[in-house]
Amino acid sequence: DIVLTQSPDSLAVSLGERATINCKSSQSIIYSSNNKNNLGWYQQKPGQPPKLLIYWASTRESGVPDRFSGSGSGTDFTLTISSLQAEDVAVYYCQQCHSTPYTFGQGTKLEIK
Amino acid sequence: EVQLVESGGGLVQPGESLRLSCAASGFIFTDYWMTWVRQAPGKGLEWVANIKEDGTMKKYVDSVNGRFTISRDNAKNSLYLQMNSLRAEDTAVYYCARTYEYGYDYWGQGTLVTVSS
Repeated sequence: DIVLTQSPDSLAVSLGERATINCKSSQSIIYSSNNKNNLGWYQQKPGQPPKLLIYWASTRESGVPDRFSGSGSGTDFTLTISSLQAEDVAVYYCQQCHSTPYTFGQGTKLEIK
Repeated sequence: EVQLVESGGGLVQPGESLRLSCAASGFIFTDYWMTWVRQAPGKGLEWVANIKEDGTMKKYVDSVNGRFTISRDNAKNSLYLQMNSLRAEDTAVYYCARTYEYGYDYWGQGTLVTVSS
């Protein structure tokens, strides 16, 4: 199984500052059909289902604010929130859809400093 | 409007069975793979199983393989998860999700399954 390891486990950032979450994969997750990295990022707020933010490592889902961006390739990926807003407090998960089981990272809890 | 509504959760004893349902609306159900994802209380997300548009292909995480069965009824726009031989570690909120090859764009609100004696 592909293991995704997120860092840090928790993060406190001041409003308006940048937040960066990392996700490292135990193996390459390049999707053979399009040569893209099959990694997504989700945001989950308390009591709510997850929400897809980023897919193919860097493509923003429709309606997601442009302060959210994804980057990386191969085995190392990053979710960046360029200017933290109060509504961004949540747990963030990466997920690979390269090979089953489609594993998630353990989650990163983002709070306001 | 896309809607996914799970039902069927509840409290069961270890070894018992439960069948979850997910009613889909607002999109062409037969155009999409579908997925079950679970989340144990206070824990992270775990992919459980997925099923192809026509039901001919199914995949499971090892921990449920042989105990859980994913299925769908395209005439009823419904997804199911038959869970047998339930264990305490199956306690979780179970979500159904509309599936693309790159992830899940719509999720239900989830249904809680508690396995306890």
